[in-house]
Amino acid sequence: EADIYQTPRYLVIGTGKKITLECSQTMGHDKMYWYQQDPGMELHLIHYSYGVNSTEKGDLSSESTVSRIRTEHFPLTLESARPSHTSQYLCASSEGPGLVYGYTFGSGTRLTVV
Amino acid sequence: AQKITQTQPGMFVQEKEAVTLDCTYDTSDQSYGLFWYKQPSSGEMIFLIYQGSYDEQNATEGRYSLNFQKARKSANLVISASQLGDSAMYFCAMNTGNQFYFGTGTSLTVIP
Repeated sequence: EADIYQTPRYLVIGTGKKITLECSQTMGHDKMYWYQQDPGMELHLIHYSYGVNSTEKGDLSSESTVSRIRTEHFPLTLESARPSHTSQYLCASSEGPGLVYGYTFGSGTRLTVV
Repeated sequence: AQKITQTQPGMFVQEKEAVTLDCTYDTSDQSYGLFWYKQPSSGEMIFLIYQGSYDEQNATEGRYSLNFQKARKSANLVISASQLGDSAMYFCAMNTGNQFYFGTGTSLTVIP
Protein backbone atom coordinates (compact mmCIF):
# COMPACT_ATOMS: atom_id res chain seq x y z
CA GLU A 1 0.00 0.00 0.00
CA ALA A 2 1.42 3.35 -1.08
CA ASP A 3 2.33 5.89 1.56
CA ILE A 4 2.74 8.67 -0.99
CA TYR A 5 -0.12 9.53 -3.25
CA GLN A 6 -0.26 11.42 -6.50
CA THR A 7 -3.38 12.58 -8.28
CA PRO A 8 -4.42 12.54 -10.98
CA ARG A 9 -2.75 9.45 -12.42
CA TYR A 10 -3.37 10.63 -15.98
CA LEU A 11 -4.32 14.10 -17.22
CA VAL A 12 -5.00 15.42 -20.70
CA ILE A 13 -5.47 19.16 -20.79
CA GLY A 14 -5.61 21.97 -23.31
CA THR A 15 -2.89 24.56 -23.87
CA GLY A 16 -3.13 27.57 -21.61
CA LYS A 17 -4.97 25.86 -18.78
CA LYS A 18 -3.83 26.10 -15.18
CA ILE A 19 -3.25 22.74 -13.51
CA THR A 20 -2.19 21.49 -10.10
CA LEU A 21 -0.65 18.08 -9.59
CA GLU A 22 -1.27 16.79 -6.11
CA CYS A 23 1.21 14.91 -3.92
CA SER A 24 0.56 13.81 -0.36
CA GLN A 25 2.47 11.53 1.98
CA THR A 26 1.44 10.00 5.27
CA MET A 27 4.91 9.20 6.58
CA GLY A 28 5.73 12.56 8.16
CA HIS A 29 8.76 13.01 5.92
CA ASP A 30 10.28 16.48 5.87
CA LYS A 31 12.01 16.11 2.50
CA MET A 32 9.88 16.05 -0.63
CA TYR A 33 10.77 16.23 -4.30
CA TRP A 34 9.30 16.63 -7.77
CA TYR A 35 10.94 14.99 -10.77
CA GLN A 36 10.08 15.32 -14.44
CA GLN A 37 10.67 12.29 -16.64
CA ASP A 38 10.04 11.68 -20.32
CA PRO A 39 9.17 8.05 -21.17
CA GLY A 40 12.16 5.74 -20.80
CA MET A 41 14.45 8.61 -19.98
CA GLU A 42 16.32 9.90 -16.95
CA LEU A 43 14.76 11.78 -14.05
CA HIS A 44 15.21 15.52 -13.73
CA LEU A 45 14.79 17.24 -10.37
CA ILE A 46 12.57 20.30 -10.77
CA HIS A 47 11.64 21.22 -7.19
CA TYR A 48 12.37 20.12 -3.66
CA SER A 49 11.43 21.02 -0.11
CA TYR A 50 13.14 20.28 3.18
CA GLY A 51 10.18 21.28 5.30
CA VAL A 52 7.17 23.53 5.71
CA ASN A 53 7.55 26.91 3.99
CA SER A 54 10.80 25.75 2.38
CA THR A 55 10.94 25.23 -1.39
CA GLU A 56 13.83 25.28 -3.85
CA LYS A 57 14.24 24.91 -7.59
CA GLY A 58 16.03 21.85 -8.83
CA ASP A 59 18.54 21.18 -11.57
CA LEU A 60 16.09 21.42 -14.47
CA SER A 61 14.54 24.77 -15.16
CA SER A 62 10.79 24.49 -14.93
CA GLU A 63 7.92 26.88 -15.41
CA SER A 64 6.07 25.19 -12.59
CA THR A 65 5.79 26.35 -8.99
CA VAL A 66 5.36 24.45 -5.73
CA SER A 67 4.19 25.17 -2.21
CA ARG A 68 4.69 23.45 1.14
CA ILE A 69 2.17 24.72 3.62
CA ARG A 70 1.76 21.39 5.38
CA THR A 71 4.33 18.65 5.90
CA GLU A 72 2.25 16.04 4.13
CA HIS A 73 1.30 18.07 1.07
CA PHE A 74 3.53 19.24 -1.81
CA PRO A 75 1.48 20.32 -4.83
CA LEU A 76 2.97 21.38 -8.17
CA THR A 77 1.25 24.03 -10.27
CA LEU A 78 1.55 24.98 -13.92
CA GLU A 79 -0.05 28.39 -14.47
CA SER A 80 -0.34 27.97 -18.24
CA ALA A 81 0.18 24.51 -19.65
CA ARG A 82 2.02 24.07 -22.94
CA PRO A 83 2.67 21.00 -25.12
CA SER A 84 6.32 21.11 -23.98
CA HIS A 85 5.07 20.28 -20.47
CA THR A 86 3.89 16.87 -21.67
CA SER A 87 5.78 14.42 -19.48
CA GLN A 88 5.53 12.22 -16.41
CA TYR A 89 5.84 13.95 -13.05
CA LEU A 90 7.05 11.89 -10.11
CA CYS A 91 6.74 12.99 -6.50
CA ALA A 92 9.03 11.49 -3.84
CA SER A 93 9.76 11.88 -0.16
CA SER A 94 12.66 10.94 2.08
CA GLU A 95 12.76 10.20 5.78
CA GLY A 96 15.86 12.11 6.68
CA PRO A 97 19.38 13.21 5.90
CA GLY A 98 20.92 9.84 6.65
CA LEU A 99 22.58 8.02 3.79
CA VAL A 100 20.48 4.92 4.31
CA TYR A 101 17.36 6.82 3.43
CA GLY A 102 16.28 6.44 -0.13
CA TYR A 103 13.24 7.86 -1.78
CA THR A 104 9.67 6.67 -1.60
CA PHE A 105 7.98 7.52 -4.86
CA GLY A 106 4.39 8.14 -5.78
CA SER A 107 2.89 6.39 -8.77
CA GLY A 108 3.37 9.44 -10.96
CA THR A 109 1.16 11.72 -13.03
CA ARG A 110 1.29 11.39 -16.79
CA LEU A 111 0.47 14.80 -18.22
CA THR A 112 -0.45 15.40 -21.85
CA VAL A 113 -0.99 18.96 -23.03
CA VAL A 114 -2.79 19.23 -26.36
CA ALA B 1 31.72 16.20 -9.68
CA GLN B 2 29.31 13.63 -8.36
CA LYS B 3 27.40 11.48 -10.75
CA ILE B 4 26.07 8.07 -11.64
CA THR B 5 26.86 6.34 -14.93
CA GLN B 6 24.84 3.55 -16.46
CA THR B 7 26.42 2.59 -19.78
CA GLN B 8 23.85 0.04 -20.94
CA PRO B 9 20.82 1.76 -22.45
CA GLY B 10 19.20 -1.59 -23.19
CA MET B 11 19.75 -5.18 -22.15
CA PHE B 12 18.15 -8.49 -23.10
CA VAL B 13 18.15 -11.65 -21.02
CA GLN B 14 16.62 -15.06 -21.46
CA GLU B 15 14.01 -16.04 -18.91
CA LYS B 16 15.53 -17.90 -15.92
CA GLU B 17 19.02 -16.62 -16.71
CA ALA B 18 20.97 -14.15 -14.57
CA VAL B 19 21.74 -10.62 -15.72
CA THR B 20 24.06 -7.89 -14.49
CA LEU B 21 23.21 -4.22 -14.88
CA ASP B 22 26.22 -1.94 -14.63
CA CYS B 23 26.54 1.17 -12.52
CA THR B 24 29.57 3.28 -11.73
CA TYR B 25 29.60 6.32 -9.53
CA ASP B 26 31.82 9.26 -8.91
CA THR B 27 32.08 10.97 -5.54
CA SER B 28 34.74 12.43 -3.33
CA ASP B 29 32.68 11.70 -0.22
CA GLN B 30 33.67 8.80 2.01
CA SER B 31 30.13 8.17 3.19
CA TYR B 32 27.35 7.53 0.72
CA GLY B 33 24.48 5.20 -0.01
CA LEU B 34 23.79 3.38 -3.26
CA PHE B 35 20.34 2.33 -4.43
CA TRP B 36 18.66 0.53 -7.28
CA TYR B 37 15.12 1.26 -8.39
CA LYS B 38 12.88 -0.54 -10.86
CA GLN B 39 10.43 1.34 -13.05
CA PRO B 40 7.88 -0.81 -14.90
CA SER B 41 5.99 0.56 -17.87
CA SER B 42 3.27 1.72 -15.49
CA GLY B 43 5.68 4.42 -14.35
CA GLU B 44 6.09 4.02 -10.61
CA MET B 45 9.55 3.74 -9.08
CA ILE B 46 10.08 0.69 -6.89
CA PHE B 47 12.98 0.46 -4.42
CA LEU B 48 14.97 -2.75 -4.88
CA ILE B 49 18.17 -2.71 -2.86
CA TYR B 50 20.51 -0.52 -0.81
CA GLN B 51 24.28 -0.63 -0.17
CA GLY B 52 26.10 1.63 2.27
CA SER B 53 29.63 2.73 1.47
CA TYR B 54 30.92 1.18 4.70
CA ASP B 55 29.07 -2.09 4.30
CA GLU B 56 31.58 -4.89 3.87
CA GLN B 57 29.08 -7.44 2.64
CA ASN B 58 27.31 -7.13 -0.68
CA ALA B 59 23.62 -6.41 -0.21
CA THR B 60 21.08 -9.04 -1.20
CA GLU B 61 17.30 -8.92 -1.42
CA GLY B 62 15.73 -12.08 -2.73
CA ARG B 63 16.74 -12.46 -6.38
CA TYR B 64 18.54 -9.10 -6.34
CA SER B 65 22.13 -8.64 -5.24
CA LEU B 66 24.42 -5.69 -5.46
CA ASN B 67 28.00 -6.35 -6.53
CA PHE B 68 29.78 -3.54 -4.68
CA GLN B 69 33.38 -2.86 -5.65
CA LYS B 70 34.37 0.24 -3.75
CA ALA B 71 37.85 0.66 -5.22
CA ARG B 72 36.41 0.56 -8.72
CA LYS B 73 33.42 2.69 -7.67
CA SER B 74 30.98 0.26 -9.14
CA ALA B 75 27.65 -0.97 -7.82
CA ASN B 76 26.28 -3.46 -10.30
CA LEU B 77 22.86 -5.01 -9.86
CA VAL B 78 22.61 -8.75 -10.39
CA ILE B 79 19.20 -10.28 -11.02
CA SER B 80 19.18 -14.05 -10.76
CA ALA B 81 16.64 -16.33 -12.41
CA SER B 82 15.08 -13.58 -14.53
CA GLN B 83 11.31 -13.49 -14.83
CA LEU B 84 9.11 -11.87 -17.46
CA GLY B 85 7.96 -9.40 -14.82
CA ASP B 86 11.53 -8.14 -14.49
CA SER B 87 11.19 -6.34 -17.83
CA ALA B 88 11.45 -2.67 -16.85
CA MET B 89 13.75 0.32 -16.59
CA TYR B 90 16.34 0.10 -13.82
CA PHE B 91 17.90 3.16 -12.22
CA CYS B 92 21.02 3.29 -10.09
CA ALA B 93 21.15 6.13 -7.55
CA MET B 94 23.48 7.59 -4.96
CA ASN B 95 22.75 9.53 -1.80
CA THR B 96 25.65 11.60 -0.49
CA GLY B 97 23.57 13.17 2.26
CA ASN B 98 23.49 16.49 0.47
CA GLN B 99 21.95 15.33 -2.76
CA PHE B 100 20.46 12.33 -4.49
CA TYR B 101 21.79 11.42 -7.95
CA PHE B 102 20.17 9.16 -10.52
CA GLY B 103 21.69 7.42 -13.51
CA THR B 104 20.12 7.52 -16.95
CA GLY B 105 18.68 4.04 -16.57
CA THR B 106 18.94 0.66 -18.29
CA SER B 107 15.98 -0.88 -20.08
CA LEU B 108 15.84 -4.62 -19.39
CA THR B 109 13.81 -6.97 -21.56
CA VAL B 110 13.32 -10.57 -20.48
CA ILE B 111 12.77 -12.91 -23.40
CA PRO B 112 10.56 -15.97 -22.92
